[in-house]
Amino acid sequence: AQKITQTQPGMFVQEKEAVTLDCTYDTSDQSYGLFWYKQPSSGEMIFLIYQGSYDEQNATEGRYSLNFQKARKSANLVISASQLGDSAMYFCAMREGEGNYGQNFVFGPGTRLSVLP
Amino acid sequence: DVKVTQSSRYLVKRTGEKVFLECVQDMDHENMFWYRQDPGLGLRLIYFSYDVKMKEKGDIPEGYSVSREKKERFSLILESASTNQTSMYLCASSLTESEAQETQYFGPGTRLLVL
Repeated sequence: AQKITQTQPGMFVQEKEAVTLDCTYDTSDQSYGLFWYKQPSSGEMIFLIYQGSYDEQNATEGRYSLNFQKARKSANLVISASQLGDSAMYFCAMREGEGNYGQNFVFGPGTRLSVLP
Repeated sequence: DVKVTQSSRYLVKRTGEKVFLECVQDMDHENMFWYRQDPGLGLRLIYFSYDVKMKEKGDIPEGYSVSREKKERFSLILESASTNQTSMYLCASSLTESEAQETQYFGPGTRLLVL
């Protein structure tokens, strides 16, 4: 079974509008972390935002916010005021458990976001 | 800022050649990882290392080996390159923390083409 599901293979958004990229996850661990990465066409994976399973508030980093709904096991990324430079692949990822070496780090299949001028 | 560098952005090799991909991080991270990324298959973990000279197999270690002689450097070795190893290779590093975010920070990637 997929541990990370991103149901939107591709999304379009108009410049300056907000967009939500969906992510649902599956884990039986109580302690886990959720991450979003951006991968532009250059190939580098850029860390955007993190949410811990025990964090009560949604994480925010500049124009990025993470809409964390623990009971629904969803961790959607919201990008406000989209810019042309936001066009990229976006990956949701999860680190399960703690006290290991980070090898339990799984990535979703990604969503390709295209920002239209 | 965390910086992870990889020795080459693009590499073209011939079948049967020995290939070295180098990764260096400057943030004193304990953990380092090698992934390959292929269309439709996402990121797959090849090997990781949690300390100098320590290594563990990931999901797809066959055809690869690794070396970690120094904390900041993690090398991926293709002993005899094959065409099915044509891929994008991504290196990452992270800290081990008990209540951790353990964010993985990635290098720019190496696009390897094996002819």
